[in-house]
Amino acid sequence: EPEVTQTPSHQVTQMGQEVILRCVPISNHLYFYWYRQILGQKVEFLVSFYNNEISEKSEIFDDQFSVERPDGSNFTLKIRSTKLEDSAMYFCASSVGQGEADEQFFGPGTRLTVL
Amino acid sequence: AQTVTQSQPEMSVQEAETVTLSCTYDTSESDYYLFWYKQPPSRQMILVIRQEAYKQQNATENRFSVNFQKAAKSFSLKISDSQLGDAAMYFCAYRKINDMRFGAGTRLTVKP
Repeated sequence: EPEVTQTPSHQVTQMGQEVILRCVPISNHLYFYWYRQILGQKVEFLVSFYNNEISEKSEIFDDQFSVERPDGSNFTLKIRSTKLEDSAMYFCASSVGQGEADEQFFGPGTRLTVL
Repeated sequence: AQTVTQSQPEMSVQEAETVTLSCTYDTSESDYYLFWYKQPPSRQMILVIRQEAYKQQNATENRFSVNFQKAAKSFSLKISDSQLGDAAMYFCAYRKINDMRFGAGTRLTVKP
């Protein structure tokens, strides 16, 4: 069964460094998402992406964040200058459509630790 | 703002018994979707069940069913005949178009 995959599973970085989190969505999906979950807190929506454009973003997704689909398979989240509070699990998801009934399939997450 | 509240951080159930996980939400919308996701340890979230707000009938998927009370903005998940493999974090989620909001999760332990 097709799955969303994410790499790396755990990333440790120094404050101020740039990180790129990678995701490979399910191949026939057209809509892509990033979420984050700070330890012990809720899963929070960051951004949705379709047709090489951001379709929606939350207030969390500030200028430090960017997303890209550099090729036909990868979907990346870049954090330009990491802060301590960026430490969290980051989940990628993809869906066939953007309708509310369209199931979002989640990846296993990348744990980002900012020191 | 739409918020989703799961008031039970942890629940436990005996194998083969029934457990109900609570979820309430706040919205001014009349049409939306509600979801329960399961996240086993070190695994990705998977969809357990979904409910369309305009449907009065409660959704059911095998041993999983919901009690959707639209007026009360309540969306509880009932797991019948609990199995060891049901042990996981369970997240309630609300979705209106691209706005997807999750609750804080309930950790379910299943005792043999």
